[in-house]
Amino acid sequence: EPEVTQTPSHQVTQMGQEVILRCVPISNHLYFYWYRQILGQKVEFLVSFYNNEISEKSEIFDDQFSVERPDGSNFTLKIRSTKLEDSAMYFCASSAVLGSNQPQHFGDGTRLSIL
Amino acid sequence: QKEVEQDPGPLSVPEGAIVSLNCTYSNSAFQYFMWYRQYSRKGPELLMYTYSSGNKEDGRFTAQVDKSSKYISLFIRDSQPSDSATYLCAMDRLTGTASKLTFGTGTRLQVTL
Repeated sequence: EPEVTQTPSHQVTQMGQEVILRCVPISNHLYFYWYRQILGQKVEFLVSFYNNEISEKSEIFDDQFSVERPDGSNFTLKIRSTKLEDSAMYFCASSAVLGSNQPQHFGDGTRLSIL
Repeated sequence: QKEVEQDPGPLSVPEGAIVSLNCTYSNSAFQYFMWYRQYSRKGPELLMYTYSSGNKEDGRFTAQVDKSSKYISLFIRDSQPSDSATYLCAMDRLTGTASKLTFGTGTRLQVTL
């Protein structure tokens, strides 16, 4: 069964450094998402992306964050200058179409640890 | 009031028991309702997806939605130790061109032998 793949599984970075999290969505999907889950808390929406532009972003997704689809298969989340509070699991998700028939499918996440 | 409320558990049941997991929500704009299962150090795995009030069954799993009460449930019949995981309810409203899931906090389930 097709799946969303994320790399790396664990990223350790010094505070203030840039980090790029990578995702390969399911191949025929058109909509891409990032979510994060701080330890012990709920999964939170960060951003949605369609047709090479951001569709919606949450309050969490400030100017330090950016997303990109650099080629036909990858989808990346960049955090420009990491903070301690960015430590979390980051999940990528994709869906084929909006709404009724195709829900979001998630990867296994990247655990980001900021030191 | 939180948009989505879910009892965090943990919930411990013996093998073979019927499990009932529940979420309530406050936002009438939610149109689609999902249950995800999350094993430790893994991503959410879709179990059930519904968009209307009523029941939907898939094997040992039944999802129930009551939009008038803003209440959704997931029932697991004949629970197995492999069902031990965290169960997340999630809800979706269509905003513009993209969907956006709002999750509950998750209920941790332990099925014992």
